[in-house]
Amino acid sequence: KAGVTQTPRYLIKTRGQQVTLSCSPISGHRSVSWYQQTPGQGLQFLFEYFSETQRNKGNFPGRFSGRQFSNSRSEMNVSTLELGDSALYLCASRGQGDRSEAFFGQGTRLTVV
Amino acid sequence: AQRVTQPEKLLSVFKGAPVELKCNYSYSGSPELFWYVQYSRQRLQLLLRHISRESIKGFTADLNKGETSFHLKKPFAQEEDSAMYYCALSEGGYQKVTFGTGTKLQVIP
Repeated sequence: KAGVTQTPRYLIKTRGQQVTLSCSPISGHRSVSWYQQTPGQGLQFLFEYFSETQRNKGNFPGRFSGRQFSNSRSEMNVSTLELGDSALYLCASRGQGDRSEAFFGQGTRLTVV
Repeated sequence: AQRVTQPEKLLSVFKGAPVELKCNYSYSGSPELFWYVQYSRQRLQLLLRHISRESIKGFTADLNKGETSFHLKKPFAQEEDSAMYYCALSEGGYQKVTFGTGTKLQVIP
């Protein structure tokens, strides 16, 4: 079956702009999580959605937001972009059942100039 | 709050040498621990989880609750093991997964 798909793969934006990233989970997966990956900080958890509801949220400013649609696809939005937002944004989906494995997408590389 | 610490950013070993990637965690309950691996130009993927008690690609990891550690070990490193390794902790169920900052393993031929 198809894996987790993230679009776009690469994005260049200027400071102050806003951006929307998309994630399509594995078919049947209802949990979608977002992470920010940077060389210095590693993987940092942004938020998780399950059945269109945000269940967990990391320690990021309110400029970072997300949502999940009824088909489990998720979007992440960052407003008023800052240079420090440049990173690889990863999406992961998890299936049913306790202790299920997270499957990651290839990420969206965001560069803020 | 839970925390995962990987003290080494880079670990270089020679081919055939033993490997130990360190991971320590802080969490008051009974966590589930994972190791994820990211090979060059590939997506992050699960390597193993403590609950399975299995060996994947020669790697094993034992959960030591007394030392709150979940170190990843392999007796003989191979060049194809070169990758970024992340230790992760989950409270179980659908709770969020917390990742460490990662350790880059470099196997020298």
